[in-house]
Amino acid sequence: GENVEQHPSTLSVQEGDSAVIKCTYSDSASNYFPWYKQELGKRPQLIIDIRSNVGEKKDQRIAVTLNKTAKHFSLHITETQPEDSAVYFCAARGYQKVTFGIGTKLQVIP
Amino acid sequence: NAGVTQTPKFQVLKTGQSMTLQCAQDMNHEYMSWYRQDPGMGLRLIHYSVGAGITDQGEVPNGYNVSRSTTEDFPLRLLSAAPSQTSVYFCASSYSLTGGDNYGYTFGSGTRLTVV
Repeated sequence: GENVEQHPSTLSVQEGDSAVIKCTYSDSASNYFPWYKQELGKRPQLIIDIRSNVGEKKDQRIAVTLNKTAKHFSLHITETQPEDSAVYFCAARGYQKVTFGIGTKLQVIP
Repeated sequence: NAGVTQTPKFQVLKTGQSMTLQCAQDMNHEYMSWYRQDPGMGLRLIHYSVGAGITDQGEVPNGYNVSRSTTEDFPLRLLSAAPSQTSVYFCASSYSLTGGDNYGYTFGSGTRLTVV
């Protein structure tokens, strides 16, 4: 089955700096890669996603890149703000299943 | 439009007891799934369904049963609760995994289960 590895597990950045979270996947048939943000005690919420036929997607301060050849994708957050502090999960969709990474706890220090 | 509704929000069970976690969605989503979330282990797939009458196992199905008699409902049953099933459980749904423009999950609010 699909295996998704996510790094780092924790990340601290100063407010205004950029944050990058990286994921790799194992199943070359996976074709959809969403990212979820989970605030403490809340449900995960979809923040951005990318399909396998696209190399990069941007939404305001958030961007995702995908390298199909290397089987890795990354989340980039620019100009971080305290409200960006949360746990971020990457995921990969294979045949009928979505597999998640273990999550990255991002702390933005004011 | 309530989205994905999960009940209960909290539950304490004794070892050996059974219970059902309820999940309902009103978005006409074909695909529904159950995940458990444990510290340091992310979200692990328990069972999923691609449509009414169709269910299949995920990564960690042992000790759990599901059924999908309607498009809207996807209950998760714990047959004989064990302390290892202490976790936060999330139900999630999406339109489809095989077509359309909207693949992303909508999650329920979660159920925090403690087995003593």
